[in-house]
Amino acid sequence: EAGVAQSPRYKIIEKRQSVAFWCNPISGHATLYWYQQILGQGPKLLIQFQNNGVVDDSQLPKDRFSAERLKGVDSTLKIQPAKLEDSAVYLCASSFLQGSTEAFFGQGTRLTVV
Amino acid sequence: GESVGLHLPTLSVQEGDNSIINCAYSNSASDYFIWYKQESGKGPQFIIDIRSNMDKRQGQRVTVLLNKTVKHLSLQIAATQPGDSAVYFCAETRTGGGNKLTFGTGTQLKVEL
Repeated sequence: EAGVAQSPRYKIIEKRQSVAFWCNPISGHATLYWYQQILGQGPKLLIQFQNNGVVDDSQLPKDRFSAERLKGVDSTLKIQPAKLEDSAVYLCASSFLQGSTEAFFGQGTRLTVV
Repeated sequence: GESVGLHLPTLSVQEGDNSIINCAYSNSASDYFIWYKQESGKGPQFIIDIRSNMDKRQGQRVTVLLNKTVKHLSLQIAATQPGDSAVYFCAETRTGGGNKLTFGTGTQLKVEL
């Protein structure tokens, strides 16, 4: 079974530029998560989708971050404009059911904002 | 703020010894508590979960204990191996919270040969 795919693996941008991350969850998984993991901290949930609907985006900085999952499969997370404090690993995860304790994570995208 | 937190940032153990990683939580409304393992450069990986109405659950070489009286969770790893070296996170899910998976800070487990 293929795992959660994320791209790019690494990205370096200057502050005020925009960036987009892509995620392809495990086939058949209805729930998709985007997490931000700052070095030395636990993953922080940014947004949770159930199929193509948003379940929770309470911690998403909506003035600069946006995410979509138009067809209920792939998802993109965008930051525009980026700030220095956005430097982190962005993790995508998926689970078969909403509320499942077992989420499957991709390797993440390491973003450095300079 | 976070609803789960870990006591120690780093734990060093000798290969073959048992490891105990602790976690405190503040929200009594959690439905499940979960342990994840994150190796360097990888995403977190599910280890084991425990429902909030249980006290103990065992897996392969791992045991999770839940003490609701003091709001404490622990992960015990038997016969720790070099491959167990990683950061361990406790997490929780809460039906009333939209079933979102919330992580704590993490403990770095270092296995010494």
